[in-house]
Amino acid sequence: DGGITQSPKYLFRKEGQNVTLSCEQNLNHDAMYWYRQDPGQGLRLIYYSQIVNDFQKGDIAEGYSVSREKKESFPLTVTSAQKNPTAFYLCASSNAGDNSPLHFGNGTRLTVT
Amino acid sequence: AQSVAQPEDQVNVAEGNPLTVKCTYSVSGNPYLFWYVQYPNRGLQFLLKYITGDNLVKGSYGFEAEFNKSQTSFHLKKPSALVSDSALYFCAVRDMSNYQLIWGAGTKLIIKP
Repeated sequence: DGGITQSPKYLFRKEGQNVTLSCEQNLNHDAMYWYRQDPGQGLRLIYYSQIVNDFQKGDIAEGYSVSREKKESFPLTVTSAQKNPTAFYLCASSNAGDNSPLHFGNGTRLTVT
Repeated sequence: AQSVAQPEDQVNVAEGNPLTVKCTYSVSGNPYLFWYVQYPNRGLQFLLKYITGDNLVKGSYGFEAEFNKSQTSFHLKKPSALVSDSALYFCAVRDMSNYQLIWGAGTKLIIKP
């Protein structure tokens, strides 16, 4: 059954630590995305990748980093430079093309104290 | 600037009644419009899209949306609401400068038995 898997579902970290969120898809999609969701706000794009070994910054990339070494995987690292990292993080993928819908994982809720 | 507005934070509807969730947009050129639904602590699911053609678009779970170019709106509708329709609904429009989605802030739909 094809889909996107995000792990872990819940993640707790101390302030000052880097943390990496996993995102894996078996939909054979070329494009992958990371969004941040905060209460009462729409989704904000952190990074996206349209092809392996290439990625672009989204609207709120500061304090985050990504890699795209494999088509199936697009991990997100939340660094200690991210000032307000506590949020719900969503990974998505899509086929190429500007009218292709996004397929989302079930998210990772990160809490930093 | 391109934008999407969902003017209602919350919509309350009695089960069996018709529902409407509003969305207006501001983009240059022809819009590509999308609706997604999010259940608690889950990722978003694609409902429907408008690219071109018939102004009334049918989607998943009995939802439909009406594109109105003169009013720059893309309201989501369903003739008869179910309690299970209770969720958070997001409208999005494609930003043609970078092909990424611009998201509304979301509307919480509550269907009361």
